[in-house]
Amino acid sequence: QSALTQPASVSGSPGQSITISCTGTSSDVGGYNYVSWYQQHPGKAPKLMIYDVSNRPSGVSNRFSGSKSGNTASLTISGLQAEDEADYYCSSYTSSSGVVFGGGAKLTVL
Amino acid sequence: QVQLQESGPGLVKPSETLSLTCTVSGDSMSPYYWSWIRQPPGKGLEWIGNIYYSGSTNYNPSLQSRVTISVDTSKIQFSLKLNSVTAADTAVYYCARGRAYGGNSVRSFDYWGQGTVVTVSS
Repeated sequence: QSALTQPASVSGSPGQSITISCTGTSSDVGGYNYVSWYQQHPGKAPKLMIYDVSNRPSGVSNRFSGSKSGNTASLTISGLQAEDEADYYCSSYTSSSGVVFGGGAKLTVL
Repeated sequence: QVQLQESGPGLVKPSETLSLTCTVSGDSMSPYYWSWIRQPPGKGLEWIGNIYYSGSTNYNPSLQSRVTISVDTSKIQFSLKLNSVTAADTAVYYCARGRAYGGNSVRSFDYWGQGTVVTVSS
C-alpha cells in the first residue's frame, strides 16, 4: 500500500483559513468514508482531529473541518491560531483491511 | 480517561527481535482494536498492524512477514514483536486504540501512547 499524498508544507496568517489535501486511490480514500486527520506537535503523540471524513471528536475545536471528493480528502482550519502550527497527517482504511497514512503536511502560522 | 503506555528496550541489535508492550488503563480492551504505529526520525507515520480484543489481527503488507501482535486481556496489555530488524526499523513506536464505531474496520485512532524510541544498532 502506498502512502497517501499530502503537500509537504502549507502556511497561513492568523485568522485566515487553510486547506490541506490528501490524495489516495479508489482502494482507500475514494472507496470508503473512513478518512481521519491527526495533529502532531513536535515531540508529541498524534491527536485525532477528524474521523469518518468530517466528524469531530468531543473537545476538538469547530475551526477544524473535513470533506472528501472522489479520491481526495481535505482538512480545513479556519481562524488560524498560533497553536495550530503542527504537522498534520491524514489516514484511510484500505481495501486490504489495513490503514494507510499520508506523508504529513507541516503547517506554519506566519 | 484512557491511557496507553509503551515499554520495552530502547536499543536492539541488527537481526534480532524488537519486543514492545503496551499497557492500557482507564478502560477495558473490549470492544476495541489495538494498534502499533511507528515514525522514523524526521519522517511520517507508518501503520504496523491491529489486533482485535478477541485476538484477530491485520498487518501492514510490507511488514507482515516479520510482525506478530498479541493481546493479553487479563493483563490489559498487547504486544509487538518485529524480527530480523535493521537500521530502517529505528523509529518512535506508538501504541494506539483503534476505533471501528460498531463496524469491523479500524477507522481512526483515538487514544495514543506517548511513544517509545527504539534504535537498531550494534
